[in-house]
Amino acid sequence: GQNIDQPTEMTATEGAIVQINCTYQTSGFNGLFWYQQHAGEAPTFLSYNVLDGLEEKGRFSSFLSRSKGYSYLLLKELQMKDSASYLCAVRSYNAGNNRKLIWGLGTSLAVNP
Amino acid sequence: KAGVTQTPRYLIKTRGQQVTLSCSPISGHRSVSWYQQTPGQGLQFLFEYFSETQRNKGNFPGRFSGRQFSNSRSEMNVSTLELGDSALYLCASSLGVNTGELFFGEGSRLTVL
Repeated sequence: GQNIDQPTEMTATEGAIVQINCTYQTSGFNGLFWYQQHAGEAPTFLSYNVLDGLEEKGRFSSFLSRSKGYSYLLLKELQMKDSASYLCAVRSYNAGNNRKLIWGLGTSLAVNP
Repeated sequence: KAGVTQTPRYLIKTRGQQVTLSCSPISGHRSVSWYQQTPGQGLQFLFEYFSETQRNKGNFPGRFSGRQFSNSRSEMNVSTLELGDSALYLCASSLGVNTGELFFGEGSRLTVL
């Protein structure tokens, strides 16, 4: 089957660095996405990785290892507003060989002062 | 430019009823995807439309249906509502099928009593 695993909850301190891991097992791979979702709001796009390595975008970085089925999202200089759910999603293939996104359940990050 | 607009934002129905949800994508976006989000299951893909044609479909029963109009606006319908259909229904638009970034609306929160 197709599966994405990420921790349910994490806690970190303002100003610190936190790493949110995501492991996946999917039939085919065509890219991995990270989205941020604040409570009661729509998910918003953070990053996209299709090749191995690190993609940096300001305070946020995302890493991918396709051979290990592994990604992480790194958040630096944490701010209170970073308290949110972080969703990992993999573009995979269904039985009809159509591409679709498979989503993890999300990691709820709480940033404490 | 305006984001993805979903209506209604909140609605309450009873078992057996049917419901229609509407989604207006970002101007110029031709692909619309629908997702069901619940705390226990996360984001579950319902279907994707592009140029008025369903291009991809998730594993939901036939009670869930959708369509897309020539102006790219989309509707989804759920018939014979069940308690388990209570969820946040999210619409996402993108430029094309399987392009990288999805832009989500704020969702329609459905409660079935």
